[in-house]
Amino acid sequence: DAGVIQSPRHEVTEMGQEVTLRCKPISGHNSLFWYRQTMMRGLELLIYFNNNVPIDDSGMPEDRFSAKMPNASFSTLKIQPSEPRDSAVYFCASSRTSGAKNIQYFGAGTRLSVL
Amino acid sequence: GNSVTQMEGPVTLSEEAFLTINCTYTATGYPSLFWYVQYPGEGLQLLLKATKADDKGSNKGFEATYRKETTSFHLEKGSVQVSDSAVYFCALSSGDSNYQLIWGAGTKLIIKP
Repeated sequence: DAGVIQSPRHEVTEMGQEVTLRCKPISGHNSLFWYRQTMMRGLELLIYFNNNVPIDDSGMPEDRFSAKMPNASFSTLKIQPSEPRDSAVYFCASSRTSGAKNIQYFGAGTRLSVL
Repeated sequence: GNSVTQMEGPVTLSEEAFLTINCTYTATGYPSLFWYVQYPGEGLQLLLKATKADDKGSNKGFEATYRKETTSFHLEKGSVQVSDSAVYFCALSSGDSNYQLIWGAGTKLIIKP
């Protein structure tokens, strides 16, 4: 089975530009998580969707960040405008909410560099 | 609230040494406990888990026992290899109605040949 697929793997952009990160969760999983990982703050949960509905977005740092999940097989995380402090690795993870629940499966991440 | 505390890293060991990475937690109810591993340049992946007190999770030679009396879930391996070099995260899930995981800060493990 294909795992969680994220694109792009690397993104380099200039301050002020819009950045869109993409995620395809594992088929059949109905929870999706966006995380940010930095050396200073470690792994932070940004937003959590269940059945395509945002359940908890308390981790979204500010209004420059937005996330959508238009259907069960696709999600985006957008940063507009981007700033150098947004440089980090962004992970998407998905899980099932029945059976082996709470086991999250991670994508390989998108390494974002904002110059 | 719920929290997870891991020993700070990096932990540096020689190949074939015994490994312990400490993890303690604070939680209400009966959480499930997890160890995830992150190899360089990759996402996190589940290493092992335990869902109730006294359960032992094991995988790839790693073990951890869910100790409710000491609120701990320490990761152990009898003989580490260079390929075990990675960052290890302890995590807990707080209950059936919340599918989020509470994460420890991660412990970087460096194994020298």
